[in-house]
Amino acid sequence: KAGVTQTPRYLIKTRGQQVTLSCSPISGHRSVSWYQQTPGQGLQFLFEYFSETQRNKGNFPGRFSGRQFSNSRSEMNVSTLELGDSALYLCASSQVLADPSTGELFFGEGSRLTVL
Amino acid sequence: AQSVAQPEDQVNVAEGNPLTVKCTYSVSGNPYLFWYVQYPNRGLQFLLKYITGDNLVKGSYGFEAEFNKSQTSFHLKKPSALVSDSALYFCAVRDLKAAGNKLTFGGGTRVLVKP
Repeated sequence: KAGVTQTPRYLIKTRGQQVTLSCSPISGHRSVSWYQQTPGQGLQFLFEYFSETQRNKGNFPGRFSGRQFSNSRSEMNVSTLELGDSALYLCASSQVLADPSTGELFFGEGSRLTVL
Repeated sequence: AQSVAQPEDQVNVAEGNPLTVKCTYSVSGNPYLFWYVQYPNRGLQFLLKYITGDNLVKGSYGFEAEFNKSQTSFHLKKPSALVSDSALYFCAVRDLKAAGNKLTFGGGTRVLVKP
């Protein structure tokens, strides 16, 4: 079974630009979560989607947005990039067998964004 | 609000010696606890979880963790460390007040196993 796939793996943008990151979950997983990882702030939760609906949202400004498609693939978008948005963006998928879920998250290898 | 603390930024251990990575948590109610490992330039890999049941949880790659409710701890252990265990380790707790899979992570502990 293929794992979580994130594209692109690396990208460089300049301040003020926008970026879209893509995530394909493990087949059959309907929950997709996004996390931002930085040396200073560690791993921070961005949002979670389930069946095309945003279920949870972290404490990030409105410049950060996401969506999920009917095939469970997800995208996140960051508009008006700032230097501080440089980070590794991790996507994770999960089965949802109970609520709250007892299942583990399966992470992709991340998209490393550098903002110049 | 729930939180997780990993008091050590780095742990150094000689190969073959026991490895312990510490984690303490603060939640209301029963915790759902997880350990993940991250190798350089990779995503996180699941090691083990505690939901309920036995306090000693066995996971991948020979790792285990002990849940201690009175000390609110969930320390990760391995009896005999390998050089290949050198990585960044994260403890996490599930937010039970939110539907779904939201995790709160600790700050991470870098493990360096020396030959």
